Amino acid sequence: ETGVTQTPRHLVMGMTNKKSLKCEQHLGHNAMYWYKQSAKKPLELMFVYSLEERVENNSVPSRFSPECPNSSHLFLHLHTLQPEDSALYLCASSQDRQEFSYEQYFGPGTRLTVT
Amino acid sequence: GESVGLHLPTLSVQEGDNSIINCAYSNSASDYFIWYKQESGKGPQFIIDIRSNMDKRQGQRVTVLLNKTVKHLSLQIAATQPGDSAVYFCAETLNSGYSTLTFGKGTMLLVSP
Repeated sequence: ETGVTQTPRHLVMGMTNKKSLKCEQHLGHNAMYWYKQSAKKPLELMFVYSLEERVENNSVPSRFSPECPNSSHLFLHLHTLQPEDSALYLCASSQDRQEFSYEQYFGPGTRLTVT
Repeated sequence: GESVGLHLPTLSVQEGDNSIINCAYSNSASDYFIWYKQESGKGPQFIIDIRSNMDKRQGQRVTVLLNKTVKHLSLQIAATQPGDSAVYFCAETLNSGYSTLTFGKGTMLLVSP
């Protein structure tokens, strides 16, 4: 609906597994974002890619590894996660220009449960 | 559906009432503000935005008011409908270029028929 798709929508993984979340935007945007949404916290920005270059990494543990192969795709590689990493992971994109910020368009999220 | 918050402030209104959702933002240097709506099972959806050089902006059934003196943002929804039931977030940013939004905790709006 928003032009940003995420797969899978739901993921259950053990602490020793390796999995990847995928995000794709069909809006021609040049910036992409990963957020974590937990039940008791505001949306937390994890990573920002602008023009395929990582420009923000908000003190995210190394067990989360982002990848942005091109301006339309964003991945979040997961390994040796902890139960507290269970959350809704949201991807967003925006068309950012030099002088002004613009709204971000969000995907539906991946509900991750770490067992 | 997805649970987006267990201890959110909640506003309960009747269908047809006007709703006002408030937000206190943190950074006096923020120059751009957005309201998002998040329905169960979906990601946040853009509703309306406002830049710091304005104090009011109107959309379809929604109005955003900005008071920079007290760092306060509000969202007014006219003639609230059951489909407006959702969690509403305000977000602020001071960056130009790519935008690093800082989100508030959210308010749950419940509209009863």
